[in-house]
Amino acid sequence: QLQLQESGPGLVRPSETLPLTCTVSGDSISSGSYFWGWIRQPPGKGLEWIADIHYSGSTSYNPSLKSRVTISVGPSKNQFSLKLSSVTAADTAVYYCGRRFSSYGYFDYWGQGTLVSVSS
Amino acid sequence: DIQMTQSPSTLSASVGDRVTITCRASQSISGWLAWYQHKPGKAPKLLIYKAASLESGVPSRFSGSGSGTEFTLTISSLQPDDFATYCCQQYYSYPWTFGQGTKVDIK
Repeated sequence: QLQLQESGPGLVRPSETLPLTCTVSGDSISSGSYFWGWIRQPPGKGLEWIADIHYSGSTSYNPSLKSRVTISVGPSKNQFSLKLSSVTAADTAVYYCGRRFSSYGYFDYWGQGTLVSVSS
Repeated sequence: DIQMTQSPSTLSASVGDRVTITCRASQSISGWLAWYQHKPGKAPKLLIYKAASLESGVPSRFSGSGSGTEFTLTISSLQPDDFATYCCQQYYSYPWTFGQGTKVDIK
């Protein structure tokens, strides 16, 4: 059974960089058939897709966040990561990682999410 | 970006009720729409993809329909486990976008 688990700092100060990691178990992110992505949900708001990546290195970013976001495979095998720079209170959200088929944009597996608060 | 608008925002219903949620896209997305169920503290769960295809393992009381700009998710007979938030997502074009969610609560 595929499982995804997000990990992050919980609290980040304004203007700093938010690092997040998703650990995948039950499948290999190098299987080639999938993209691996990040989605977030600010309090009281809807879901927002951030970015996704194929193990080959192919990436896609939401233009609204592209200038501040870096998605990458690693740091360890079967992990992928997100870095969001210059965070503000508007970046406070539950961050989810997920898997989607390479040919389609819907996410068939998601992690439980990790809450990140931006505050001084 | 394609805007996705769901209605209603909140729906109060009883066990056994037939429930219908609507999702409208700001432009045609053909049938490239997914529906998810979301409960607090849990991973969102894929219910429907390609507007009407039921994800494996999802009970048949869930169904989806629509194409173009208007879509519906129907729960034929609401069960206790179905009280949750439901949201739609278009994957016709980048950036993928989601509706704001419909919370189904107990009447």
